Amino acid sequence: KQEVTQIPAALSVPEGENLVLNCSFTDSAIYNLQWFRQDPGKGLTSLLLIQSSQREQTSGRLNASLDKSSGRSTLYIAASQPGDSATYLCAVRYAGNNRKLIWGLGTSLAVNP
Amino acid sequence: ETGVTQSPTHLIKTRGQQVTLRCSSQSGHNTVSWYQQALGQGPQFIFQYYREEENGRGNFPPRFSGLQFPNYSSELNVNALELDDSALYLCASRPQGASKDEQFFGPGTRLTVL
Repeated sequence: KQEVTQIPAALSVPEGENLVLNCSFTDSAIYNLQWFRQDPGKGLTSLLLIQSSQREQTSGRLNASLDKSSGRSTLYIAASQPGDSATYLCAVRYAGNNRKLIWGLGTSLAVNP
Repeated sequence: ETGVTQSPTHLIKTRGQQVTLRCSSQSGHNTVSWYQQALGQGPQFIFQYYREEENGRGNFPPRFSGLQFPNYSSELNVNALELDDSALYLCASRPQGASKDEQFFGPGTRLTVL
């Protein structure tokens, strides 16, 4: 069964810390992996998209890595700020005819001033 | 701002009623998808419309139906509401020719079924 798991479910850190969010997937035959941000009760904003042939992507203070062989991706946030507080979702698009998109449950991040 | 709007923002219905949720996309976004996101869960794909026809569906019963209009707006209709239908409903649109991953999400409609 194709699943996506995110650890931890919730995280609270003081402002300025570097932090890592984890995403694992059960099937290495993926097409791509995407990290999203969701503010409370709001829609989703795409942060980073990593194609299966790539190892990492960077955008500002965010860096996402992909290791297909171990079925893992990490989202690294440098010098966290209170404005980073949100839920971060990992979504894996699996290879195959329908390229189904499977979502994790998310990590709820609180950055405290 | 994604250019995708949804209405209403919040809605309360009772079990057995029917509801219509609306989504307005940017001009040229001729693919729209609808998702259901229960509290503490990831989004679940309901269905997708392309050029006013349904062309993909997730594991949802027929009482979930949709419409897409030529003016890039769309609707999600749910009949015979159940308590478990309480969720955030998201629409996402995609421009002509864009990959599946170039979706622009609306802010969602929070539906509560009592």
